[in-house]
Amino acid sequence: DGGITQSPKYLFRKEGQNVTLSCEQNLNHDAMYWYRQDPGQGLRLIYYSQIVNDFQKGDIAEGYSVSREKKESFPLTVTSAQKNPTAFYLCASRPRGRNTEAFFGQGTRLTVV
Amino acid sequence: GENVEQHPSTLSVQEGDSAVIKCTYSDSASNYFPWYKQELGKGPQLIIDIRSNVGEKKDQRIAVTLNKTAKHFSLHITETQPEDSAVYFCAASKNSQGGKLIFGQGTELSVKP
Repeated sequence: DGGITQSPKYLFRKEGQNVTLSCEQNLNHDAMYWYRQDPGQGLRLIYYSQIVNDFQKGDIAEGYSVSREKKESFPLTVTSAQKNPTAFYLCASRPRGRNTEAFFGQGTRLTVV
Repeated sequence: GENVEQHPSTLSVQEGDSAVIKCTYSDSASNYFPWYKQELGKGPQLIIDIRSNVGEKKDQRIAVTLNKTAKHFSLHITETQPEDSAVYFCAASKNSQGGKLIFGQGTELSVKP
């Protein structure tokens, strides 16, 4: 089945540690996105990538980093510089250059302990 | 910057009643307006979308209206059912800037049997 897969579903991190969230898609989409969701604040854009080896900062990129070495994969690293990392993280993908539906993964809930 | 405002943040209706959620957007170049439904602990899923060349679109019990002049768009759900209970997000995007979707803050809809 075609789709977008995020792993793990739940992730716990100690303060001061970096952690990487995985996002893989087999929809052949060029564009991929990372959003952060906090209660009452909707979805806020962290980073997005329109094509392999290229990505841009979104509205809340500080404390995060990404890579796009393969079309299918867009991992997000939450670094120790992110002061409040506990949140629900969502990855999405869309065909590039077309204003169409974005498909979301099931999310990763990150908790700092 | 680009912004989408969504109201109300919570909405409670009786089963069988109608529900209306409203959004306004700031970027007049936006031309694609999707609505997503998110169930607890899951990723958002598209329920309906509209492009700027039409004013209304219907799909069974769900309809969306768009007023480009006022930069408003609304989601209408008729004959609500308990399974409609979820968080609903509106969003806006345009063809440029990587097609990034800007989301509203979300509306938690509760349908009471």
